[in-house]
Amino acid sequence: DARVTQTPRHKVTEMGQEVTMRCQPILGHNTVFWYRQTMMQGLELLAYFRNRAPLDDSGMPKDRFSAEMPDATLATLKIQPSEPRDSAVYFCASALPRPYQETQYFGPGTRLLVL
Amino acid sequence: GDSVTQMEGPVTLSEEAFLTINCTYTATGYPSLFWYVQYPGEGLQLLLKATKADDKGSNKGFEATYRKETTSFHLEKGSVQVSDSAVYFCALGELNTGNQFYFGTGTSLTVIP
Repeated sequence: DARVTQTPRHKVTEMGQEVTMRCQPILGHNTVFWYRQTMMQGLELLAYFRNRAPLDDSGMPKDRFSAEMPDATLATLKIQPSEPRDSAVYFCASALPRPYQETQYFGPGTRLLVL
Repeated sequence: GDSVTQMEGPVTLSEEAFLTINCTYTATGYPSLFWYVQYPGEGLQLLLKATKADDKGSNKGFEATYRKETTSFHLEKGSVQVSDSAVYFCALGELNTGNQFYFGTGTSLTVIP
């Protein structure tokens, strides 16, 4: 049963610290999405990649957030420095290449709390 | 641009009641439409989808029909169960814009025994 995995599942950190979240997409999926979910804003798309290349990161605060795909099996989302307003659940999702790319498969999320 | 508008929640129903969650969309091309479900503490899971007008997606007793004339994709279930308590998201996927997705704000459903 192929699944998207995310680590860590929970993270508590202090303001100003660097946070790195990791995602392993489903093998064979070439598109990876990063979302942030909060009660106030709902589900927000931060960035997405296809074939490891960033296609859209317009939803991401550029000054402190960065997203990369060092290889096809790993996507990372970094926050440096972190702030309390970054507290949220961060989801990674992956999708197959065309023509099956429409369905996204979500990971369980990383629940981040910045104190 | 493309967008999805979803019925506001929360929705509370008694077990075996009929469920409708409204979803309408705006799209410039020919999108596929989805319903995702999120159970407490988990990520989103695909519930059902429809890829073209008049298609009906169905899964676990839930149904939704892609209505191009009304730009709608309402989610329905004839008899809800306590285990259906979750947050439901309507979404639109547009192939022509490079796999961009648009999610609704989510509708929380609580089913009471």
